[in-house]
Amino acid sequence: GAVVSQHPSWVICKSGTSVKIECRSLDFQATTMFWYRQFPKQSLMLMATSNEGSKATYEQGVEKDKFLINHASLTLSTLTVTSAHPEDSSFYICSALGERGANVADTQYFGPGTRLTVL
Amino acid sequence: EDQVTQSPEALRLQEGESSSLNCSYTVSGLRGLFWYRQDPGKGPEFLFTLYSAGEEKEKERLKATLTKKESFLHITAPKPEDSATYLCAVQVSDSWGKFQFGAGTQVVVTP
Repeated sequence: GAVVSQHPSWVICKSGTSVKIECRSLDFQATTMFWYRQFPKQSLMLMATSNEGSKATYEQGVEKDKFLINHASLTLSTLTVTSAHPEDSSFYICSALGERGANVADTQYFGPGTRLTVL
Repeated sequence: EDQVTQSPEALRLQEGESSSLNCSYTVSGLRGLFWYRQDPGKGPEFLFTLYSAGEEKEKERLKATLTKKESFLHITAPKPEDSATYLCAVQVSDSWGKFQFGAGTQVVVTP
């Protein structure tokens, strides 16, 4: 149980194009999903919190117009990198929050990640 | 300010050589502490959640413990397949599920 998928697993695009990454919770519903970015040999950097049916909340320093997030259903969130540039090349990972209850911490289950390379 | 610090940064073990990883935290209110394993080029894989001091969880060669200030991940008689980066994360009260991650400990187990 608690499986999260991401698609695509890797993508190469030209500078100036937009790329969409999908994150799906396969066997549970997730009101909240998170998007992270990870640079080589570094830990996860939270980009934004995605809530079903509402606008995403972005972390300080993350451009919301560049990284568009849509959480259209309880099992799907998408991240669109608009007008991608080489500096956007990175490993993008999503997670889905499995809810246990109001008084107990909720576990994040992670997708396998998407490697984006912008030429 | 909430902080999570993992040590050591890297650990090289011989197969069968047991060791422990440390995750110390300073947070305003802990709801849970999480351990993940991450292999290169993959997303983190959930291992354990610990909720209160004194709690312990075990899975195969791994055992996680929690005190009021830190958590330990004990690796008993490791095998080469235990090589990975181990990440610690805390969820604080009123964080809407957000995690504060440590930098991770990279473990290499040699035959």
